[in-house]
Amino acid sequence: DTGVSQDPRHKITKRGQNVTFRCDPISEHNRLYWYRQTLGQGPEFLTYFQNEAQLEKSRLLSDRFSAERPKGSFSTLEIQRTEQGDSAMYLCASSSTVAGGLDTQYFGPGTRLTVL
Amino acid sequence: AQKVTQAQTEISVVEKEDVTLDCVYETRDTTYYLFWYKQPPSGELVFLIRRNSFDEQNEISGRYSWNFQKSTSSFNFTITASQVVDSAVYFCALKGTDKLIFGTGTRLQVFP
Repeated sequence: DTGVSQDPRHKITKRGQNVTFRCDPISEHNRLYWYRQTLGQGPEFLTYFQNEAQLEKSRLLSDRFSAERPKGSFSTLEIQRTEQGDSAMYLCASSSTVAGGLDTQYFGPGTRLTVL
Repeated sequence: AQKVTQAQTEISVVEKEDVTLDCVYETRDTTYYLFWYKQPPSGELVFLIRRNSFDEQNEISGRYSWNFQKSTSSFNFTITASQVVDSAVYFCALKGTDKLIFGTGTRLQVFP
């Protein structure tokens, strides 16, 4: 099985620009999660999808953040009008809750965002 | 509210020493799941173990072992005969129905 992949791995942008990240989950996984990790901290939940439905969003997810999973496969996370405080590692994870799946989340390598 | 506390920020050991990483959690759920993940310098979180709240049996996997005690809300992780390749940040996490709640991690440095 191919693991979770994320693109790009690194992104440097200027404050005020929009950025978009992509996550491809493990094939057949119905759940997809986004987390954010800042230096010295554990990952913090942002949002998650079950198939194409976005089921929960954290209060951390301001109006500048939007996530989609249009066909229940890959997902995109867009940040509009980036701020320096958005600099972090953005992690994607996927899991399965069908056919005996235990909903264990497997993580991708992350996208490191630096906002100048 | 759910919370995970990893009080040890950083631990340094010499190769072949045993080391225990502590994890204490808070939850009001009766059904929950506990996890340990490893984050090596490359940055990718690697799943190590999952334990549900109804299973208090200790588990051993090679040099790794886990001690789950509901009475003290702890889920500690021991590495026996540590190796340099064990150097990483280790995260304990708690899950109720969906999202993971992580602790702040313990950085383990194993010196040769």
